[in-house]
Amino acid sequence: DTGVSQDPRHKITKRGQNVTFRCDPISEHNRLYWYRQTLGQGPEFLTYFQNEAQLEKSRLLSDRFSAERPKGSFSTLEIQRTEQGDSAMYLCASSATGGYGYTFGSGTRLTVV
Amino acid sequence: QQQVKQSPQSLIVQKGGISIINCAYENTAFDYFPWYQQFPGKGPALLIAIRPDVSEKKEGRFTISFNKSAKQFSLHIMDSQPGDSATYFCAASKGSGATNKLIFGTGTLLAVQP
Repeated sequence: DTGVSQDPRHKITKRGQNVTFRCDPISEHNRLYWYRQTLGQGPEFLTYFQNEAQLEKSRLLSDRFSAERPKGSFSTLEIQRTEQGDSAMYLCASSATGGYGYTFGSGTRLTVV
Repeated sequence: QQQVKQSPQSLIVQKGGISIINCAYENTAFDYFPWYQQFPGKGPALLIAIRPDVSEKKEGRFTISFNKSAKQFSLHIMDSQPGDSATYFCAASKGSGATNKLIFGTGTLLAVQP
């Protein structure tokens, strides 16, 4: 499978717990993006990397959120001290610089109870 | 502040009909306008995209019409099929890059009735 892979597909966690999601982009893609999508809304930009460098972060990405892409390949998104408002679909996408657009993964659905 | 406004929120079309979804943007710096299609449980998939130097782009049954002066663009799906039933998002970005940060509309849920 040469698509964008996200793990886990679903995560249920208790409020206050930490969670970590993983994204494996298409191997030749140097850009990687994280978006968040709530029910009935379009995806909202969180952050993106070019290779291992995090080039932009949204104001939506509070201090409780951190993303890494240590070797310019896979990426992780961690949410600390989860809140009910963090419940959403977290989408990862990748692209090649100068390419025609993104390829999204199927997302990780987070439910905070 | 919603930079990309999309309408309608939902749309029901008969098989073989034309589906039309509209978007309006505010930031004149936007210079790349894609449409994405999303099926339940899947991530969005790029359908078609346009840059502001052309007024129309057609790919198969899908056409984007772009009106730079009105800051509006629309997606037309000709000969709509039940398999087209999905949520459609318009988006915009700036910096002449198809791989820059995207600002998405709120989506249109399309149902094509057989």
